[in-house]
Amino acid sequence: DAGVIQSPRHEVTEMGQEVTLRCKPISGHNSLFWYRQTMMRGLELLIYFNNNVPIDDSGMPEDRFSAKMPNASFSTLKIQPSEPRDSAVYFCASSLKGVSNQPQHFGDGTRLSIL
Amino acid sequence: AQSVSQHNHHVILSEAASLELGCNYSYGGTVNLFWYVQYPGQHLQLLLKYFSGDPLVKGIKGFEAEFIKSKFSFNLRKPSVQWSDTAEYFCAVTPYSGAGSYQLTFGKGTKLSVIP
Repeated sequence: DAGVIQSPRHEVTEMGQEVTLRCKPISGHNSLFWYRQTMMRGLELLIYFNNNVPIDDSGMPEDRFSAKMPNASFSTLKIQPSEPRDSAVYFCASSLKGVSNQPQHFGDGTRLSIL
Repeated sequence: AQSVSQHNHHVILSEAASLELGCNYSYGGTVNLFWYVQYPGQHLQLLLKYFSGDPLVKGIKGFEAEFIKSKFSFNLRKPSVQWSDTAEYFCAVTPYSGAGSYQLTFGKGTKLSVIP
């Protein structure tokens, strides 16, 4: 059974460039989450989708960040333009329902380095 | 809004030692509680969860956790650690129900290093 699939695993790019991170949730899961993990702030929820609709984007740091979920099996997180302070590990997670008794399953993450 | 605090940033133990990692949460209502583990270079995996019932929950790999409601705590324990338990451990909480029940709030994590 395939888990949450993220790509790329690693991304190194120069500041100012556009970065696109991709996520394929577990089939049948209708809730999708994007998190950012840094040493300073730990794991932070960026955005939550339910049935492909963004429900809570209050964690998105600023307008440079955008996320889409065009269908139930694919989501993107885009940063444009990227800055060095965006360097972090970005995780995608999915769950069967967006409720607390359905554990979230995490992907392997994308380690992003902005030079 | 809920918050989670993990008392120890880094714990170093020898193999066969007993482990207890502290976790306290802050929230005015009923919660569900989780422990996740992140092995080096890997994704977060669910270790165990508490929703209701017996406050002592058992998870994978010999881990257990006890929910003490009066102390707002959910400490993780293992009687005898192995080198393969070297990882970072995250406590997390969600509201039991309501509009924000998807909101999984994590602690900052505790890094466990087990020395052979």
